[in-house]
Amino acid sequence: AQKVTQAQTEISVVEKEDVTLDCVYETRDTTYYLFWYKQPPSGELVFLIRRNSFDEQNEISGRYSWNFQKSTSSFNFTITASQVVDSAVYFCALSERGQAAGNKLTFGGGTRVLVKP
Amino acid sequence: KAGVTQTPRYLIKTRGQQVTLSCSPISGHRSVSWYQQTPGQGLQFLFEYFSETQRNKGNFPGRFSGRQFSNSRSEMNVSTLELGDSALYLCASSLVGLTDTQYFGPGTRLTVL
Repeated sequence: AQKVTQAQTEISVVEKEDVTLDCVYETRDTTYYLFWYKQPPSGELVFLIRRNSFDEQNEISGRYSWNFQKSTSSFNFTITASQVVDSAVYFCALSERGQAAGNKLTFGGGTRVLVKP
Repeated sequence: KAGVTQTPRYLIKTRGQQVTLSCSPISGHRSVSWYQQTPGQGLQFLFEYFSETQRNKGNFPGRFSGRQFSNSRSEMNVSTLELGDSALYLCASSLVGLTDTQYFGPGTRLTVL
């Protein structure tokens, strides 16, 4: 069965510091998708990034970057030069291609990020 | 393009009652999934609907049910409410499912007294 682990429950930083969020996943599928979502205090989950299991190229999108390593089953996410508005709970999620039809996300427990001015 | 909308945003019920939550997906999206979020269990998948059919189901009791209409709007129903059903219920839509990116609504906060 699939599983996502976010070992960090809470991270506190001062504005402009970089923040790296760890995510480790388990899956038996060879094709799967990984996501990062942000949940601000309002409660809505906001989609940030998505990665396919067959594409390990790491990218940067604005202040966000990610490091996907299949060898260690990790999909880490970094916010560069953090801002107060980045304060939220961040969730890593996994979706397997091979499961019996459907579009199910398995979420990690989330990491609360607090950015202090 | 309008995002996913959920109604109502807040709901207070008592044990034993039933409740219906509504979700309107992004225009053009045909898959709707429901998730429950609680402090203890985190985010858990309830079920997914596509073309008015339940395509996938999580590990929840039969008191939790849903349906999807021909316009892709979806409802979920919880019967015989229990205190433990207090949670944030999130709806997400995607184009056709099968690992498409899911976009979430603001959620319905259900409190069971």
